[in-house]
Amino acid sequence: DAGVIQSPRHEVTEMGQEVTLRCKPISGHNSLFWYRQTMMRGLELLIYFNNNVPIDDSGMPEDRFSAKMPNASFSTLKIQPSEPRDSAVYFCASSFQLGNQPQHFGDGTRLSIL
Amino acid sequence: DQQVKQNSPSLSVQEGRISILNCDYTNSMFDYFLWYKKYPAEGPTFLISISSIKDKNEDGRFTVFLNKSAKHLSLHIVPSQPGDSAVYFCAEKTGANNLFFGTGTRLTVIP
Repeated sequence: DAGVIQSPRHEVTEMGQEVTLRCKPISGHNSLFWYRQTMMRGLELLIYFNNNVPIDDSGMPEDRFSAKMPNASFSTLKIQPSEPRDSAVYFCASSFQLGNQPQHFGDGTRLSIL
Repeated sequence: DQQVKQNSPSLSVQEGRISILNCDYTNSMFDYFLWYKKYPAEGPTFLISISSIKDKNEDGRFTVFLNKSAKHLSLHIVPSQPGDSAVYFCAEKTGANNLFFGTGTRLTVIP
């Protein structure tokens, strides 16, 4: 069974460049989540989607961050322009929407902005 | 202010002994608490959960206890094994679908 797939696993880029992180959720899951993990703030939710519709984006730090889910099997998180303080590990997770169904996480994208 | 707190950043336990990981919370209006385990360079993996209407849930070597009056929960691992060495996160799920994570406790099980 394929889990949540994220790409790339590592990204190193220069400040000011556009960064696009990708996520393929588990087939059949109808909720998708983007998290960011930093030493200072731990794991924090950026945005989540139910049935491809953004439900809560209050965790998105700035307008430089945007996320899309064009279909049930693909989502992107974009940072434009990127800044050094965006350096973190970004996780995507998916789940069934209802009840106590746990979220299943991908292995993350380690982003370094120089 | 952090909604979910794990006050011990690290814990070392001898193999075969019990590991107890603790978590405190402030929001009483939750549906579930979940525990996740995380190895380096991997995403968090779901371990066990507990509903707000229960005070204990057990799954093999893992048991979670919930004390609502103290707003405290704990994860017990017994017996501890070297493969249990990882970072453990507790997470609160409220009526919405998102999770609030604690900062994690790094468990080291010494062979």
